[in-house]
Amino acid sequence: DVVMTQSPLSLPVTLGQPASISCRSSQSLLYSDGNTYLNWFQQRPGQSPRRLIYKVSDRDSGVPDRFSGSGSGTDFTLKISRVEAEDVGVYYCMQATQWPHTFGQGTKLEIK
Amino acid sequence: EVQLVESGGGLVQRGGSLRLSCTASGFTFSNYWLGWVRQAPGKGLEWVAKINQDGSEEYYVDSVKGRFTISRDNAKNSLYLQMESLRAEDTAMFYCARGGGAIWGQGTLVTVSS
Repeated sequence: DVVMTQSPLSLPVTLGQPASISCRSSQSLLYSDGNTYLNWFQQRPGQSPRRLIYKVSDRDSGVPDRFSGSGSGTDFTLKISRVEAEDVGVYYCMQATQWPHTFGQGTKLEIK
Repeated sequence: EVQLVESGGGLVQRGGSLRLSCTASGFTFSNYWLGWVRQAPGKGLEWVAKINQDGSEEYYVDSVKGRFTISRDNAKNSLYLQMESLRAEDTAMFYCARGGGAIWGQGTLVTVSS
């Protein structure tokens, strides 16, 4: 199975400041069709997960443009340009290149 | 509105069975892969099973192979998860999800008592 490793696991951020989460996979996530199936999810307290980013850097509809994704191969990053109060929650990366699809451990973002 | 609504969770004894359902609305159900993702209390996410558009391909994580069966009824816009031989470690919120997680339901809680 592909192991997804996130860092940091805890991320205290001051409102208005940027935040960055790293995700590394144990194998390349480049699929034979040329796409890299790396997604990012946000799970607010008490809610279902919500996809923010798919295929490394494509933002889902309705996701604020302060969220961006980048990376390739085995190294990926989610960036929030200016953290807002509503961004509190746990963020997960997930690979869908190989079955079983696997998630990172989650990064808990909190406001300082 | 695009929506997935799960049902069927509950309290079951170890070794027992349960069937989860997920009803979709707001999109062409038969066009999408669908799957089940679970989250144990206070823990992370685990993709359990997925099924292709016409139900001819099924995939399972090793921990549920031989115990869980995913199926779908495109005429009823419904996805199912039949769970047998339940264990305490299967206790989790179960979510249905479309494709690679573009859409999620609100979840249904399965509790296995030992």
